[in-house]
Amino acid sequence: EAAVTQSPRSKVAVTGGKVTLSCHQTNNHDYMYWYRQDTGHGLRLIHYSYVADSTEKGDIPDGYKASRPSQENFSLILELASLSQTAVYFCASSDGDWGNYAEQFFGPGTRLTVL
Amino acid sequence: GDSVTQTEGQVALSEEDFLTIHCNYSASGYPTLFWYVQYPGEGPQLLFRASRDKEKGSSRGFEATYDKGTTSFHLRKASVQESDSAVYYCALSAGFASALTFGSGTKVIPCLP
Repeated sequence: EAAVTQSPRSKVAVTGGKVTLSCHQTNNHDYMYWYRQDTGHGLRLIHYSYVADSTEKGDIPDGYKASRPSQENFSLILELASLSQTAVYFCASSDGDWGNYAEQFFGPGTRLTVL
Repeated sequence: GDSVTQTEGQVALSEEDFLTIHCNYSASGYPTLFWYVQYPGEGPQLLFRASRDKEKGSSRGFEATYDKGTTSFHLRKASVQESDSAVYYCALSAGFASALTFGSGTKVIPCLP
């Protein structure tokens, strides 16, 4: 049974439109993350959260917002989608008690295409 | 900031050949180093990790040794199989909240000998 799920699995959006990507985890983990994957760049951190109702900026936060309404749910919001945000987006969770040794558990990804 | 550099692009090799994917890192402090593997249509999953100098991580026939002197964590496997076809990512965690810094990924393509 998948512990990190994402919805939708794929989406086509129009330039300038609003997009919300959702993530749900059943691992009981405090930490959650959003990454984007682009060919040649690997995965890059957009936003993360270590507690409900609080989010932090990652390495490439421009053009993205995040929301953590509960321990289980973490959303990524593109208020004004742009062509450059076409990518695959991954959500992940980890157990904060393990510090830097913590394993991250990834969802299956959302393929976003902005036209 | 922290960074990871690994063998770029893809590596095509015959089944049963020896595989090496190079990984070098730059980080402040003492990072934990990871190898993640990603199969088509899935998210990355942990292969193994290491957190101390000279520590060897291993899983499914793959192994890597943490070398603080050369800032490296090269992935090796003695005999690659068709089932090893995937993208392999080297990554590190050194900061708050255990966020990962990934390399660019290396696609392994085993071919019939």
